[in-house]
Amino acid sequence: DQQVKQNSPSLSVQEGRISILNCDYTNSMFDYFLWYKKYPAEGPTFLISISSIKDKNEDGRFTVFLNKSAKHLSLHIVPSQPGDSAVYFCAASNGGGKLTFGQGTILTVHP
Amino acid sequence: DAGITQSPRHKVTETGTPVTLRCHQTENHRYMYWYRQDPGHGLRLIHYSYGVKDTDKGEVSDGYSVSRSKTEDFLLTLESATSSQTSVYFCAISARDSHYEQYFGPGTRLTVT
Repeated sequence: DQQVKQNSPSLSVQEGRISILNCDYTNSMFDYFLWYKKYPAEGPTFLISISSIKDKNEDGRFTVFLNKSAKHLSLHIVPSQPGDSAVYFCAASNGGGKLTFGQGTILTVHP
Repeated sequence: DAGITQSPRHKVTETGTPVTLRCHQTENHRYMYWYRQDPGHGLRLIHYSYGVKDTDKGEVSDGYSVSRSKTEDFLLTLESATSSQTSVYFCAISARDSHYEQYFGPGTRLTVT
């Protein structure tokens, strides 16, 4: 039972354009959502998060949107840069610090 | 960068042998976690710890045990390795002011032949 799903295994965008990565969840008890970025042969690094009491959180080029009624969140990267090419994981928590991760989306930003 | 190291970074072992992976942190964080990463599954929680000698099971704990005798060390043991345990293993620690935001070590690639 995959409670957090990233249905797009990969995404390809041009440098300077917007990248939109999507994530869906099924557990209505999740109250905190996070995005992680992972380069090959490295551990995931925390990118941005959002509490369920908000619908948007912004940090520089990165914005996360949360639509609780649709159980959907998205990560927007504007403008996209070649260094953003990585695997992006969304994760969700329902308290206690345990995270449930999606399968990941490979983002490729072409110069 | 959070001070998290994992050892070994790479290991090849045979089916049926015991294997212990070590996670060491210098941040004095209370919470520590072990995950495995497999294609098509993302990261899945194996075990976690809320403090010294305080551990609990995660989503995929079968075949694994953990120990935490010191704040800085969290050990993951495969008592009798199987080929299905071939994976990349990541340790994580909680952030200082929020135990939701976890920070990950560099990973251990384990191959069971």
